[in-house]
Amino acid sequence: EDKVVQSPLSLVVHEGDTVTLNCSYEVTNFRSLLWYKQEKKAPTFLFMLTSSGIEKKSGRLSSILDKKELFSILNITATQTGDSAVYLCAVEAWGSRLTFGEGTQLTVNP
Amino acid sequence: SAVISQKPSRDICQRGTSLTIQCQVDSQVTMMFWYRQQPGQSLTLIATANQGSEATYESGFVIDKFPISRPNLTFSTLTVSNMSPEDSSIYLCSVAGRGTADSYNEQFFGPGTRLTVL
Repeated sequence: EDKVVQSPLSLVVHEGDTVTLNCSYEVTNFRSLLWYKQEKKAPTFLFMLTSSGIEKKSGRLSSILDKKELFSILNITATQTGDSAVYLCAVEAWGSRLTFGEGTQLTVNP
Repeated sequence: SAVISQKPSRDICQRGTSLTIQCQVDSQVTMMFWYRQQPGQSLTLIATANQGSEATYESGFVIDKFPISRPNLTFSTLTVSNMSPEDSSIYLCSVAGRGTADSYNEQFFGPGTRLTVL
């Protein structure tokens, strides 16, 4: 059975801090790993990672994948209160089916 | 990314009734999926909606409880049948990119339908 584990499950930081969110996985027929931000109902797409060692970057967010050690990290630098959300890691297997981790609840205090 | 809409955005239903949720995409997509997010939990895949054929259900989900239609490449419906309070969840449709099943497809989610069953 495919499995995705995220850590920590929750995190409280102050504005300006840098955070690192972790995602490890065990998946048959791995195709890609995706990160989403969920604030209300709909997860918002952040990154899709398919190759090891290639950092993807978007503003203050960045992510990298290690296919040998089966994990990914999501970094957020200079955090802002608007970064407060649940961050979801999902792994894509055959047929684009996604298996999600439990998510990391990030709270950024002013 | 594709623009995805869902109707209704929320509903409160009585036990034993059924609700059909619609998902509309603004462009043709290869793959459409239905997910459920129960309170305090992460997303779980219910099924892959296949255009022109029966949906492919994940373990623990059956067609009698969650019938799915996909008449074309831009539209799908999910029905939650004979509802009980345990069906109270957010239901989300998602679409893979415009690539083929063999290419890497970013997957985007609709706005979700919040269902409460009394």
